[in-house]
Amino acid sequence: RKEVEQDPGPFNVPEGATVAFNCTYSNSASQSFFWYRQDCRKEPKLLMSVYSSGNEDGRFTAQLNRASQYISLLIRDSKLSDSATYLCVVTDTGGGNKLTFGTGTQLKVEL
Amino acid sequence: ETGVTQSPTHLIKTRGQQVTLRCSSQSGHNTVSWYQQALGQGPQFIFQYYREEENGRGNFPPRFSGLQFPNYSSELNVNALELDDSALYLCASSLASASYNEQFFGPGTRLTVL
Repeated sequence: RKEVEQDPGPFNVPEGATVAFNCTYSNSASQSFFWYRQDCRKEPKLLMSVYSSGNEDGRFTAQLNRASQYISLLIRDSKLSDSATYLCVVTDTGGGNKLTFGTGTQLKVEL
Repeated sequence: ETGVTQSPTHLIKTRGQQVTLRCSSQSGHNTVSWYQQALGQGPQFIFQYYREEENGRGNFPPRFSGLQFPNYSSELNVNALELDDSALYLCASSLASASYNEQFFGPGTRLTVL
């Protein structure tokens, strides 16, 4: 079983749609949780951290459920520029020694 | 731009050869992590260097080795290249502390092994 599992997609959605991505992780000792965005043939970039209390950044909302070992990302009012691969990431120490990535979920926003 | 640079951007090698990839960390960062990203996969942690010492290693064989220099730049060396080593190699720099600090990725080196 992979440490971090995601549906690879692709998710094809029309502009303005709301889309949700899910991720599960296997290590209950995981400490920190993130969503990264990766554009085609580019490096990953931090999109947002994920907290149990939930956090929101504009059109993006992230949520962590430690009991279920489940992480989610909600994108509202999708834009063409949101097209990318979204990577679910966990770390197993508070110091962020090692990032463990999921395979990523590909999003394509269409006109 | 993250301020993390990698060289070369692309590289083609043949099986059995050796390769050295380079990474310059962001100013003020003392930690460099290396990741391998195969096509269609997420990045996989290779190892991390902190103050010139290896500080954690992923599930990669010993033919993957590294160095960190006093200026915190780093090298990844891969010996006896195999076809499966074809991937995007990413380095990420960060400032080590007791709590999580964001890792900033460089643009990567795309290695093709023929």
